Amino acid sequence: AQSVTQLDSQVPVFEEAPVELRCNYSSSVSVYLFWYVQYPNQGLQLLLKYLSGSTLVKGINGFEAEFNKSQTSFHLRKPSVHISDTAEYFCAVFFFNTGKLIFGQGTTLQVKP
Amino acid sequence: KAGVTQTPRYLIKTRGQQVTLSCSPISGHRSVSWYQQTPGQGLQFLFEYFSETQRNKGNFPGRFSGRQFSNSRSEMNVSTLELGDSALYLCASRPGSQETQYFGPGTRLLVL
Repeated sequence: AQSVTQLDSQVPVFEEAPVELRCNYSSSVSVYLFWYVQYPNQGLQLLLKYLSGSTLVKGINGFEAEFNKSQTSFHLRKPSVHISDTAEYFCAVFFFNTGKLIFGQGTTLQVKP
Repeated sequence: KAGVTQTPRYLIKTRGQQVTLSCSPISGHRSVSWYQQTPGQGLQFLFEYFSETQRNKGNFPGRFSGRQFSNSRSEMNVSTLELGDSALYLCASRPGSQETQYFGPGTRLLVL
């Protein structure tokens, strides 16, 4: 079965510290990979995506992610977080064989002053 | 371009009633997908419409249905509402079949 796993449900971190949010998926078929962010009472905003090409992708707000095909992972990183980065982050994988976009359970990033 | 819009933004219904939610995609986008978001189950795919045809479907009961109009606007209907249907319902649009999905702000449904 196709699944997306975000390994941490909550990640507390101090302001200006680096952070990594982890994402693994189950399938070996061709995929597209996405990270979305959700602020309270809002919809999902696209942070970045991997469709093809360079495995290191850069997104908005200083975030980047690296696609590792052998480990079927797509971890999100930011070298220095701000209070305003406090939100829920979702990893999503588009599986070509089913045409479905499957989301992980989400990781709540809590940035403390 | 205007983003994905959803109406209404908030809705309160009672058990047994039915509800219709509306989604207007980004101009030029022909695919509309619907998702249900709850604290317990997370984000779950409901269905996708492309050029007025349901192209894909998630694992939800038949009480959940949808349709798409010729202008790509989509509606989602839930009949015989249950308490567990309380959720944020998100709509997303994309140009075709494999491009990035762009999400609307959602409709928050509360079933009492």
